[in-house]
Amino acid sequence: SQTIHQWPATLVQPVGSPLSLECTVEGTSNPNLYWYRQAAGRGLQLLFYSVGIGQISSEVPQNLSASRPQDRQFILSSKKLLLSDSGFYLCAWSRDRTDYGYTFGSGTRLTVV
Amino acid sequence: AQKITQTQPGMFVQEKEAVTLDCTYDTSDQSYGLFWYKQPSSGEMIFLIYQGSYDEQNATEGRYSLNFQKARKSANLVISASQLGDSAMYFCAMREGRDNDMRFGAGTRLTVKP
Repeated sequence: SQTIHQWPATLVQPVGSPLSLECTVEGTSNPNLYWYRQAAGRGLQLLFYSVGIGQISSEVPQNLSASRPQDRQFILSSKKLLLSDSGFYLCAWSRDRTDYGYTFGSGTRLTVV
Repeated sequence: AQKITQTQPGMFVQEKEAVTLDCTYDTSDQSYGLFWYKQPSSGEMIFLIYQGSYDEQNATEGRYSLNFQKARKSANLVISASQLGDSAMYFCAMREGRDNDMRFGAGTRLTVKP
C-alpha cells in the first residue's frame, strides 16, 4: 500500500533562516506531488505541484521554492524565512484522474519567530 | 472566481443527531470528482467520501453520505448519528477533468455537543 511521509512535524525557525521540508511517498511510482499551506483556522492554499522529476509548477509567487530530485521525493525550501511563512504545511500525492483523491502527509507546523 | 463554496464557517450539532454541511461548486466540465475531507485538531487530512459527476447514486460511506444535486451544483455532506469525535474542520473539494489540481473550499468547523 502507498504511504506518504512528511517531516519534521513541528519546526520553530528564526526570521531570515533557511527552510527545508521533505516529503516522500512509498509504494507507488510517478505520483503527482503537491505542497499546500494552511494558515490557522483557514483553508488550504496550493503552493506547488509536480507531475514528474524536475517538473515544478508554482501557484503563488512567494518566498518559497520546491524541488523534486527523485520520483517520490518532494522538497519545500526557502533561503530566508519571513514571519508570514508561518503556517501548517501539507504534502500530498495523487494520480492525474478526477476520481482519485489526494493522500496527505501528517503535516509540518512551522513557526517563524 | 471561487470553484468551491462552503457557506457555513461553523456548525453545531447535538451528539447522536444528523448534520448537513453545505458545499456548492462551479465547473463547466462534464467530468469531475467531488470529495470531502475531515481535518481534526491534529491537522491530518482524512478522506471521507467521493462522488463522481456521472454517478447517479449518492455516495455513502458508513455514517457519511453525500447529497449530490448535479443541476444545482451542490454536494452536501450528511453525517448521521454525530459523535464527539466528529468535531473537526470539514473541507469540500473538486477535481475537474481539465485541471490537475484539487480545489478546496474554505471549510466548515463542526462542533458536536454532548
